[in-house]
Amino acid sequence: QKEVEQNSGPLSVPEGAIASLNCTYSDRGSQSFFWYRQYSGKSPELIMSIYSNGDKEDGRFTAQLNKASQYVSLLIRDSQPSDSATYLCAVLTTSGTYKYIFGTGTRLKVLA
Amino acid sequence: EADIYQTPRYLVIGTGKKITLECSQTMGHDKMYWYQQDPGMELHLIHYSYGVNSTEKGDLSSESTVSRIRTEHFPLTLESARPSHTSQYLCASSESYQGNYGYTFGSGTRLTVV
Repeated sequence: QKEVEQNSGPLSVPEGAIASLNCTYSDRGSQSFFWYRQYSGKSPELIMSIYSNGDKEDGRFTAQLNKASQYVSLLIRDSQPSDSATYLCAVLTTSGTYKYIFGTGTRLKVLA
Repeated sequence: EADIYQTPRYLVIGTGKKITLECSQTMGHDKMYWYQQDPGMELHLIHYSYGVNSTEKGDLSSESTVSRIRTEHFPLTLESARPSHTSQYLCASSESYQGNYGYTFGSGTRLTVV
């Protein structure tokens, strides 16, 4: 089992819909959670971070964290073609040693 | 505007050449990282540093070396480039040991060894 798992996709949603991206992690000692967006041929860009259970909203993006179930999700409301990218989940765990682990990413395609 | 700079953006070089990929950041971050990423594939950590004179190897075995003589500068060197080194190399930095901040990535260096 990978330490951070994401469905590779592609996840296709129509323009204006809600895109839901999911990430699960294996280490219960994980403390901080991050979502990055990576356009093709570009470097990752941090878009959301979340540290406590519940929801965190920033514009059209909402991050959701459930530590009991060990998953974190990213919702994108009113999806736009410009949201088409790969979304990387990253998890920081400090149980034992400091480890920052990236998932393999989910490719999102927003259809116009 | 990016606060972490990588040069060159693209590099095509012959087998056996020595190369240094530059990475500098102006944010005063203690922690810096080098990742390798092939197109459409996952990130692989190859080196990291938690401060001046501190360097560690990452999860992916790499024939490269790094140095951290100044906080802002974290160059990566390949002594003898091979075609298997063809990839994109991404430099990143972060602020806090407690990890309450994400990574800032540079624009990357796309290396092709012929």
